Amino acid sequence: AQSVTQLDSQVPVFEEAPVELRCNYSSSVSVYLFWYVQYPNQGLQLLLKYLSGSTLVKGINGFEAEFNKSQTSFHLRKPSVHISDTAEYFCAVSGGMTTDSWGKLQFGAGTQVVVTP
Amino acid sequence: DGGITQSPKYLFRKEGQNVTLSCEQNLNHDAMYWYRQDPGQGLRLIYYSQIVNDFQKGDIAEGYSVSREKKESFPLTVTSAQKNPTAFYLCASSIRENQPQHFGDGTRLSIL
Repeated sequence: AQSVTQLDSQVPVFEEAPVELRCNYSSSVSVYLFWYVQYPNQGLQLLLKYLSGSTLVKGINGFEAEFNKSQTSFHLRKPSVHISDTAEYFCAVSGGMTTDSWGKLQFGAGTQVVVTP
Repeated sequence: DGGITQSPKYLFRKEGQNVTLSCEQNLNHDAMYWYRQDPGQGLRLIYYSQIVNDFQKGDIAEGYSVSREKKESFPLTVTSAQKNPTAFYLCASSIRENQPQHFGDGTRLSIL
């Protein structure tokens, strides 16, 4: 079975400062990795995904993430945040073809980012 | 624009009552999913369907039921057997399994 751990439940950050949201996963096989953002009372919106290829993945709104297989991590970064980045962020992993998690997303508990002026 | 429509946005259930949450997509996606979201717990999978007329239980299926009679529609029924139904319910779809999922805007269910 696979699991996802988001190491910070809340991250306060000042406007125009950088932010990093940490995500670690456990899986014995190759996986697909995703970051989603959720604004209050809305559904989730895909920020970026890693399916294969380059380990540095660029997404929407200036976010990027790096897949580190040896450390089983997929941390999300943004060099300069805006007030509008205040939201909850979810890391998710989907299992490879050899697992019973095929096709199913396992979500982390979420990280609330609060951007202040 | 293509997307996923969930209705209603807010729903109230009386004790002993079954309620049905609607989920419709016009993305021509094969796979559809239902999640439950509780504060501080992320999203948990209730049911998913990879093709019409077929669906599988997720991690927390007890007290819920689904149907998939049409590709576009995947309604979720919260039965009276679900003793703690108050939550935010999210429907999602993907072109096929393991591809990025697209989400609706959710239905918030509360108990009267």
